[in-house]
Amino acid sequence: EVLLVQSGAEVKKPGESLRIACQGSGYSFSKYWIGWVRQMPGQGLEWMGIIYPGDSDTTYSPSFRGQVTMAVDMSTSTVYLQWDSLKASDTAMYFCARGVGFWSSSFDSWGQGTLVTVSS
Amino acid sequence: QSALSQPASVSGSPGQSITISCTGSSNDIGIYNYVSWYQQHPAKAPKLILSDVSNRPSGVSDRFSGSKSGNTASLTISGLQTADEADYYCSSYTASSTLVFGSGTKVTV
Repeated sequence: EVLLVQSGAEVKKPGESLRIACQGSGYSFSKYWIGWVRQMPGQGLEWMGIIYPGDSDTTYSPSFRGQVTMAVDMSTSTVYLQWDSLKASDTAMYFCARGVGFWSSSFDSWGQGTLVTVSS
Repeated sequence: QSALSQPASVSGSPGQSITISCTGSSNDIGIYNYVSWYQQHPAKAPKLILSDVSNRPSGVSDRFSGSKSGNTASLTISGLQTADEADYYCSSYTASSTLVFGSGTKVTV
């Protein structure tokens, strides 16, 4: 069974750094792109970008480029999403998902989500 | 990058059929058949229900079907059930080598 398990909820202050995790299991982790999707409170889904664990190749949405960094640790089959300096507007649920199909244009398995709250 | 346009809400009675539209442009839906649809129940992760316009993943009911014409893709749910009450999102690959989601549609049964 394909599983993506995300790290727990976080409460941070503006300006702090943060790294959230997404650990994959039940499949060949290195061979599937992993995407990150943001969902702000009461809002829709936003594609943030994707990373290929095999070689850490990344593609970011123009809206998120420079705002976040994606990274991978192959030794633990974990993909990370990180911020250097959080803003209140980063408050959202963040999902990781496994990409399939052409250019990983579909996400067939999703993590449970990590809620990030940024408040002073 | 603007979201694909979906109606905010669609409603129907049990047993009926409903159709949700997803309108993009000649930079995404209009030139690629890489449209996916997701179902999201409250406080849950999204679930893939269609890929590549009309392909159903294993385990997804055949009551869900998809099509595309020009810059608009559509999701049809037939034999509407109360369990279908959820938010639905489309997505498409784009000419900029990115992915874009739709604005989302709340389905009420």
